[in-house]
Amino acid sequence: EIVLTQSPATLSLSPGERATLSCRASQSARSYLAWYQQKPGQAPRLLIYDTSNRATGIPARFSGSGSGTDFTLTISSLEPEDFAVYYCQQRSNWPLTFGGGTRVEIK
Amino acid sequence: EVQLLESGGGLVQPGGSLRLSCAASGFTFSSNAMSWVRQAPGKGLEWVSSITNIGSTSDNTYYADSVKGRFTISRDNSKNTLYLQMNSLRAEDTAVYYCAKAREGTNGLLEYWRQGTLVTVSS
Repeated sequence: EIVLTQSPATLSLSPGERATLSCRASQSARSYLAWYQQKPGQAPRLLIYDTSNRATGIPARFSGSGSGTDFTLTISSLEPEDFAVYYCQQRSNWPLTFGGGTRVEIK
Repeated sequence: EVQLLESGGGLVQPGGSLRLSCAASGFTFSSNAMSWVRQAPGKGLEWVSSITNIGSTSDNTYYADSVKGRFTISRDNSKNTLYLQMNSLRAEDTAVYYCAKAREGTNGLLEYWRQGTLVTVSS
């Protein structure tokens, strides 16, 4: 099983600041790493797939990078609606696994 | 437009059973992998099960170790409906259960999620 470890657990930032979220895999996830955003009371929403591809309708301020075991989600300039919890997920191997999440909160 | 409509959640006693349904529309249901993902109160996301026929002539099913032998995923392509039969339920199965559609041609790229249905296991 590929274990995904996200850091930090919480990121306290102000609107307009840059957010950098990390996801580390216990073994190579190849490029099959996705990022999801979840707001309170809502279902997760796909943001980034296969490391760096934005899903339909996702703003350009969201970008993904990395390969193998180290991946990063960057939000270039935080908008008020970006404060949420973010999860990484791998589909390289069964079982599918998720990271524990990073909460991006308003400072 | 992709639509997923869940039903079947509720309160059940430990050891009991429940069946979740997810009615799909707006895409070719039979050729898409589907999954169930759950989220315990205040916790993160946990993959539960997937059903897929990608690269195969018949459906293959996959389960998390935590539910293997107790839960069964299935689909009825004539009704465009995904199911999760949950038996021998435990308190730790209490969660919001999400039905999710995978991007066509993939097994685990979960591009559409339904709002979720709450399952509470308690006496």
